[in-house]
Amino acid sequence: GDSVTQMEGPVTLSEEAFLTINCTYTATGYPSLFWYVQYPGEGLQLLLKATKADDKGSNKGFEATYRKETTSFHLEKGSVQVSDSAVYFCALRTGGTSYGKLTFGQGTILTVHP
Amino acid sequence: GAVVSQHPSWVICKSGTSVKIECRSLDFQATTMFWYRQFPKQSLMLMATSNEGSKATYEQGVEKDKFLINHASLTLSTLTVTSAHPEDSSFYICSARVGSPNSPLHFGNGTRLTVT
Repeated sequence: GDSVTQMEGPVTLSEEAFLTINCTYTATGYPSLFWYVQYPGEGLQLLLKATKADDKGSNKGFEATYRKETTSFHLEKGSVQVSDSAVYFCALRTGGTSYGKLTFGQGTILTVHP
Repeated sequence: GAVVSQHPSWVICKSGTSVKIECRSLDFQATTMFWYRQFPKQSLMLMATSNEGSKATYEQGVEKDKFLINHASLTLSTLTVTSAHPEDSSFYICSARVGSPNSPLHFGNGTRLTVT
C-alpha cells in the first residue's frame, strides 16, 4: 500500500539557518504530493503541493520538488524564522476510487530558536 | 477561507462511556469528510471516509461498531467512540472537502480524547 516516510525529529535550528526535512514515498500510480504544517493549537494547513514529476511547490519561502526517480519530496527553506516552529507533515494522494484520501508521514517537529 | 470546526477540543471520559465528536464545515458544504487518528509522535492514520447521506467507508482494522460515523448533512459529521477504553485515548482529527477528490482538504483543530 501507499506509505510516506519522513525524517525523524525533532529538528532544532537557530533563526536564519537552512532547513531540510526529508520525505520519501511509496505509491502505486502517480500520486500528488503535499506538505502540511500544524502550528501549535491549530489544525493542519496546506503548505505546498506538487502534482506531477519535476513540479516544484513553493509557499512562504518553503520549497519542495517532486522527484519521481528518487520517490522523494524533501522540504527546504533557506532561512527559517521563529514563527516557522511547527509540526510538518508530508503526504500523498492517489486517484482512483480512494475519494482523494491522504496518506501522511509521521510528522517532524521543528523548533527554531532566536 | 474554508473553516472546519471540531468540537470539543478536548474531552475526558470514564471507561465504558461513549463520546461524540463533531466536525462542522462553517462556510462551505462538505461532500466528503475524513476522520483521522493520531498517536503521539506518529502519523495521522485514516479511520474512515464519509460521504453525506451514505454509510462511512472504514479503513482496514477500524471497528465500525466502535467508531460510529454519521454524516447526516453537508455541514456536519460526527464520530462517536462507543464504550470507550483507555486504549482509545488519542488525538482525533477531521477534515472536509467540497467537490472532486482533487479539491483541497480543510482540517479541524482536532480533539484530544482521554479515557480514564
